[in-house]
Amino acid sequence: GENVEQHPSTLSVQEGDSAVIKCTYSDSASNYFPWYKQELGKRPQLIIDIRSNVGEKKDQRIAVTLNKTAKHFSLHITETQPEDSAVYFCAASNPTGRRALTFGSGTRLQVQP
Amino acid sequence: GAVVSQHPSWVICKSGTSVKIECRSLDFQATTMFWYRQFPKQSLMLMATSNEGSKATYEQGVEKDKFLINHASLTLSTLTVTSAHPEDSSFYICSARGTLAGGYYNEQFFGPGTRLTVL
Repeated sequence: GENVEQHPSTLSVQEGDSAVIKCTYSDSASNYFPWYKQELGKRPQLIIDIRSNVGEKKDQRIAVTLNKTAKHFSLHITETQPEDSAVYFCAASNPTGRRALTFGSGTRLQVQP
Repeated sequence: GAVVSQHPSWVICKSGTSVKIECRSLDFQATTMFWYRQFPKQSLMLMATSNEGSKATYEQGVEKDKFLINHASLTLSTLTVTSAHPEDSSFYICSARGTLAGGYYNEQFFGPGTRLTVL
């Protein structure tokens, strides 16, 4: 099955700085890579996703890059704000193969004001 | 976007009792629903995949006789934790994937979660 590794486990940045979270996956059949933000006690919220036919996607301060050859993808948050503080999870799946999302271990991001 | 509800949002029960958690897709038909468990400060771990009208597929290490899953319709799946014990205390989250025709096939939409505490 799929195995997703995520680094770092914790990340502390100053407000306004950039944050980068990296993930690797093992199953070359995976073709859908979403990123979720989860606040304490709440459901994961999709913040951005990328499919395997695209190398990069951007949405305002958030961007995701995908390297299919190396099987890794990254989340980039620019101009971080205190409200970006949360736990971020990467995930991978092959929806056409009817597979569930496999999640990374999570990154606790703390943005210091 | 697609909305998934989950009920109850929290439940406290005594050891040995059973607890049923409902997951509903409110505005789309979900051919597949997934049940995850999340322990404090940990990631979401897939417990089982539930396809409407067929038996659930459980992940390795998840007892199918303890965690009963029923997906009787395209909008409802239930998870019953039987003979609950304190170690079953966790945050249980369902998610739903829609039909290809319905246009929600790639994303998984998450319910708000159910916090189970077994005393």
